[in-house]
Amino acid sequence: SQTIHQWPATLVQPVGSPLSLECTVEGTSNPNLYWYRQAAGRGLQLLFYSVGIGQISSEVPQNLSASRPQDRQFILSSKKLLLSDSGFYLCAWTPGTGWYEQYFGPGTRLTVT
Amino acid sequence: SQQGEEDPQALSIQEGENATMNCSYKTSINNLQWYRQNSGRGLVHLILIRSNEREKHSGRLRVTLDTSKKSSSLLITASRAADTASYFCATDANSKLTFGKGITLSVRP
Repeated sequence: SQTIHQWPATLVQPVGSPLSLECTVEGTSNPNLYWYRQAAGRGLQLLFYSVGIGQISSEVPQNLSASRPQDRQFILSSKKLLLSDSGFYLCAWTPGTGWYEQYFGPGTRLTVT
Repeated sequence: SQQGEEDPQALSIQEGENATMNCSYKTSINNLQWYRQNSGRGLVHLILIRSNEREKHSGRLRVTLDTSKKSSSLLITASRAADTASYFCATDANSKLTFGKGITLSVRP
């Protein structure tokens, strides 16, 4: 069976510090991968998605970046965090193009102080 | 921008009652999905309805879709305290989902 992991679960970082959030999927190959951010009281905002290694599409201009160094690994990064980067970050996957339901990880709660 | 907009924003009902949640959207879609999120957790997919379908059932869930009105509803019958969660509709166009802000459902035991 397939599982998706995210770490860390919670993170408190000062403004201006770097960020690295990791997402890995087990039990499947060549998944589509997604990073979302959920601000308090709001829906999910798609940040990045990837259909393959090294292929990243950005949905929202910001100081965040994403990378996919391995087939089932998706990393969200920032060189310098802003207060507005606080939120709940969710990674999701689908088996591939044409599969519509998305499967979400447990999320990372990021607080920038 | 938000494609799906749910209403009401919050709903409180007694256990055993039915809960109806609505979603409206603006542009053409391939399908519409409903997800559930327990507090502080990831989202869980509940049900998908394709643009050429009008109604779909899954257990205690019933989803309807009216593409002429660009709206959908999610009905949870015989609610339980464990149904307490946030519910999101998501519209799918070009294999990317756009989520609404969600509805907070509280089921009182």
